[in-house]
Amino acid sequence: GQNIDQPTEMTATEGAIVQINCTYQTSGFNGLFWYQQHAGEAPTFLSYNVLDGLEEKGRFSSFLSRSKGYSYLLLKELQMKDSASYLCAVRDSNYQLIWGAGTKLIIKP
Amino acid sequence: ETGVTQTPRHLVMGMTNKKSLKCEQHLGHNAMYWYKQSAKKPLELMFVYSLEERVENNSVPSRFSPECPNSSHLFLHLHTLQPEDSALYLCASSQGGESDEQYFGPGTRLTVT
Repeated sequence: GQNIDQPTEMTATEGAIVQINCTYQTSGFNGLFWYQQHAGEAPTFLSYNVLDGLEEKGRFSSFLSRSKGYSYLLLKELQMKDSASYLCAVRDSNYQLIWGAGTKLIIKP
Repeated sequence: ETGVTQTPRHLVMGMTNKKSLKCEQHLGHNAMYWYKQSAKKPLELMFVYSLEERVENNSVPSRFSPECPNSSHLFLHLHTLQPEDSALYLCASSQGGESDEQYFGPGTRLTVT
């Protein structure tokens, strides 16, 4: 079966750095996505990785290793507004998105 | 109005009712999606429409019936639902291309009593 694993919940301190991991087993691979979802709001697109390596976008970076079936989202200089759920999704060989259950990130002052 | 909008934002219905959820996208996209989001579970893809034709139907019970009259509008018709259908129903759209990222609406919080 197809599976996306990510931690259920993480806690970090304002101003610090946090890394949210995602591992996947899917039928084929055609890209990996990270989305942010604040409570009661729509998921919003953060990043897309299809080749190995690090993609940097401001305070957020996303890394992919296809051989290891592994990705992480790195958030730097954490702000209180970064408290949200972070969803990892992989597009499989049928171009269907397989979603993880999300990681709830709690930022403390 | 911009982005993806959904109405109503909240809906409470009995098991014998019939209701419809509406989604509208103002992004000029050619694909639209319905998802179900339950607490602490992955997003479940229900239906996909591309250029107004249904291309995906992931074994969704027949009490859920989608309709896509044009590329900007998507409906989800509901009838004789069960309490376990209570969830957040999200609509999304995408344009295609290399990443084909999806843009989501705010969702309809559905409670079936």
